[in-house]
Amino acid sequence: DGGITQSPKYLFRKEGQNVTLSCEQNLNHDAMYWYRQDPGQGLRLIYYSQIVNDFQKGDIAEGYSVSREKKESFPLTVTSAQKNPTAFYLCASSILAGEQFFGPGTRLTVL
Amino acid sequence: GQQVMQIPQYQHVQEGEDFTTYCNSSTTLSNIQWYKQRPGGHPVFLIQLVKSGEVKKQKRLTFQFGEAKKNSSLHITATQTTDVGTYFCAGGRGATNKLIFGTGTLLAVQP
Repeated sequence: DGGITQSPKYLFRKEGQNVTLSCEQNLNHDAMYWYRQDPGQGLRLIYYSQIVNDFQKGDIAEGYSVSREKKESFPLTVTSAQKNPTAFYLCASSILAGEQFFGPGTRLTVL
Repeated sequence: GQQVMQIPQYQHVQEGEDFTTYCNSSTTLSNIQWYKQRPGGHPVFLIQLVKSGEVKKQKRLTFQFGEAKKNSSLHITATQTTDVGTYFCAGGRGATNKLIFGTGTLLAVQP
């Protein structure tokens, strides 16, 4: 069953802690993306990767970090430097210039 | 910076009425994609338009891409309760197809 998975679905962390969100895909897509969604707003691009071992900053990369060591995996770390980390985080993958397939998302709440 | 504006933010219709959402970019887009996000869910791809002036139909949904490739619209004929959700346009930027998402239009359909 092909698709893109994210875990966990809900995540609670204390202020000042780093947290890593998982994203895995078995669609054999080269490109992967991380978005942040806040209530009443569209999706904003955090980081994207077009190929293994390479990634670029999106529009709101400050306070976040990523890695792309495997084609299937693109984890996102929300660091303590992110001023307002509580949000819905969505991972997506695509062939280059194609439609994006989204995972179910991780809802992060920082207490 | 490059922006994609979407109007209206919210639309409430009676079942059977038509619905239209509009998307406008400050710059020329390489393509436009449309996504639907059900409440509590993740965005799901609907369609991609690439050519200037392109019109595509999917059953009751009609998508248009403007002649200048700066605006787009989605029209739903005779809405149904299953149409409920937020509709996002997303403008493609360059060969990598980084997407800029609009703010979305939340559609509520009253039976």
